[in-house]
Amino acid sequence: KAGVTQTPRYLIKTRGQQVTLSCSPISGHRSVSWYQQTPGQGLQFLFEYFSETQRNKGNFPGRFSGRQFSNSRSEMNVSTLELGDSALYLCASSLVGLVTQETQYFGPGTRLLVL
Amino acid sequence: AQSVTQLGSHVSVSEGALVLLRCNYSSSVPPYLFWYVQYPNQGLQLLLKYTSAATLVKGINGFEAEFKKSETSFHLTKPSAHMSDAAEYFCAINSGYALNFGKGTSLLVTP
Repeated sequence: KAGVTQTPRYLIKTRGQQVTLSCSPISGHRSVSWYQQTPGQGLQFLFEYFSETQRNKGNFPGRFSGRQFSNSRSEMNVSTLELGDSALYLCASSLVGLVTQETQYFGPGTRLLVL
Repeated sequence: AQSVTQLGSHVSVSEGALVLLRCNYSSSVPPYLFWYVQYPNQGLQLLLKYTSAATLVKGINGFEAEFKKSETSFHLTKPSAHMSDAAEYFCAINSGYALNFGKGTSLLVTP
């Protein structure tokens, strides 16, 4: 089985712009979660999608949003980019979510640099 | 809330020496714990997980971890370090809907 894929792998944007990142989960996985990784804050949970619905959300401003499609692929969007949004954004998938004590499998991440 | 604390942000060992990376957890319910490894410019790869089936968990690449409830610990070990083990290691706990990660431990392996 193919693993979790994320596109693009690298992205450079300027402050005030918006960006969309894409994630394709492992085939058969319906839960997709997004995490932000920065040197200062470490790995932080952004949100989780299941069956095209946001099921859980972390403590991030409304500029961070996402969606999930019927084929379980997910996108996350960050509007009005700030310098502090520079980070590695990781997508993780599992069959139905961590509520069942499953394992999350991570993609390679998208590295976003905001100038 | 469930959380983990990794002791030591940097650990250096010689090739062939024992690797010990420390993780302590805090949880009001039986925890589900994970160790992930991250190589430069890559995502997280699962090393092993504890789900209460056995206290000694064996993972990939020769790593293992022992769950000790009395010490609220889940330390990661490997008997003999290899140069290829140099990476960032993260301990994580299942909060019920997300993984809560430790700050990570960077492992340096010297010849």
